[in-house]
Amino acid sequence: DGGITQSPKYLFRKEGQNVTLSCEQNLNHDAMYWYRQDPGQGLRLIYYSQIVNDFQKGDIAEGYSVSREKKESFPLTVTSAQKNPTAFYLCASSNKGSAGELFFGEGSRLTVL
Amino acid sequence: AQSVAQPEDQVNVAEGNPLTVKCTYSVSGNPYLFWYVQYPNRGLQFLLKYITGDNLVKGSYGFEAEFNKSQTSFHLKKPSALVSDSALYFCAVRDATGGFKTIFGAGTRLFVKA
Repeated sequence: DGGITQSPKYLFRKEGQNVTLSCEQNLNHDAMYWYRQDPGQGLRLIYYSQIVNDFQKGDIAEGYSVSREKKESFPLTVTSAQKNPTAFYLCASSNKGSAGELFFGEGSRLTVL
Repeated sequence: AQSVAQPEDQVNVAEGNPLTVKCTYSVSGNPYLFWYVQYPNRGLQFLLKYITGDNLVKGSYGFEAEFNKSQTSFHLKKPSALVSDSALYFCAVRDATGGFKTIFGAGTRLFVKA
């Protein structure tokens, strides 16, 4: 079935460690997104990519990095520079030009110990 | 800059009654507007969108939304609420002339009481 796969679903990290969250889609969508979700703050955009080898910062990009080497993959690295990384991270993709709705993965919950 | 406001943290409604979840937006160009629903510890599911045309948009599970350009609003509605509609609802906006950047509101929790 077509969809978006995020892994791992749960991740624990010690302070000072970098972690990478995986996001893979088999929908042949051009655009991919990473959002962070915190209680009471909704979804905040970290990075998004419209095409391969290109990506743009969202509203809270500091402390995060991404790559888009393949159309189907958009991994997110949470670096040690991110001050408060504990959150629920959601990956999404969209197609049909800029009017397309987003399709979301099931999310990855990161906890910093 | 794009922004979305969902003025209510929570909406409570009795089963069988109509429900409304409010959303207002701000974009510099024409808006593309979306509603999504989220169940606990899951990703978001798309409900409906406004791109152009008829101001009343119908979507999944009996939901609809009305686009009002003068009030910059896109309220989500359903004529008769179900207990199973209880979830977290998000409004989102994209500038039609600004590419793919999509901004979400803070979310509104809908609680439908039996």
